[in-house]
Amino acid sequence: DAKTTQPTSMDCAEGRAANLPCNHSTISGNEYVYWYRQIHSQGPQYIIHGLKNNETNEMASLIITEDRKSSTLILPHATLRDTAVYYCIVRGQGGSEKLVFGKGMKLTVNP
Amino acid sequence: GAGVSQSPSNKVTEKGKDVELRCDPISGHTALYWYRQSLGQGLEFLIYFQGNSAPDKSGLPSDRFSAERTGGSVSTLTIQRTQQEDSAVYLCASSFRDSRLEQYFGPGTRLTVT
Repeated sequence: DAKTTQPTSMDCAEGRAANLPCNHSTISGNEYVYWYRQIHSQGPQYIIHGLKNNETNEMASLIITEDRKSSTLILPHATLRDTAVYYCIVRGQGGSEKLVFGKGMKLTVNP
Repeated sequence: GAGVSQSPSNKVTEKGKDVELRCDPISGHTALYWYRQSLGQGLEFLIYFQGNSAPDKSGLPSDRFSAERTGGSVSTLTIQRTQQEDSAVYLCASSFRDSRLEQYFGPGTRLTVT
């Protein structure tokens, strides 16, 4: 699985868009980008995933660069409840189903 | 719709006792996973069930740990002769067979072994 790099932490003002970057320069053609988050004292939560096209769901948007070496998770209107550790994972669909999180990025949404 | 549910939410047990943790996956999800997470640590994979296939038990830390999934739905994780190092949050997740990395987690069971 390709390695991902995320900033350690980021702050965002409530109501603003939160743009969370992830670098995955060694991603291969059949690997997807997945995003999860873990709010304090809760289980991990699936957010979104994509291959090469931009994706949007009720939680977030995922923008993947044309060369697929990086991506950005966008929370369009961050709320205090979005404060969490966010994990960017790159995995092939045919690979292991075991989730392994790196250190992730702590997003703090401030009032 | 209903998400993954786990019971109990908290369990305190004495060292040496056996415990059973239960997971009810999302209806229609054929894949079920158990993980555990110690305080401040990452996810540790324990076991994976997919339909009627033999489970992947490669993550179970010792033979004191076992799990079963009856009728392709509810799963029970059993820890025998609990040790203090077993204290952790035990998380269950489920997914559709064709979306195995889109996993939906339950709230977890916090196990404390005294």
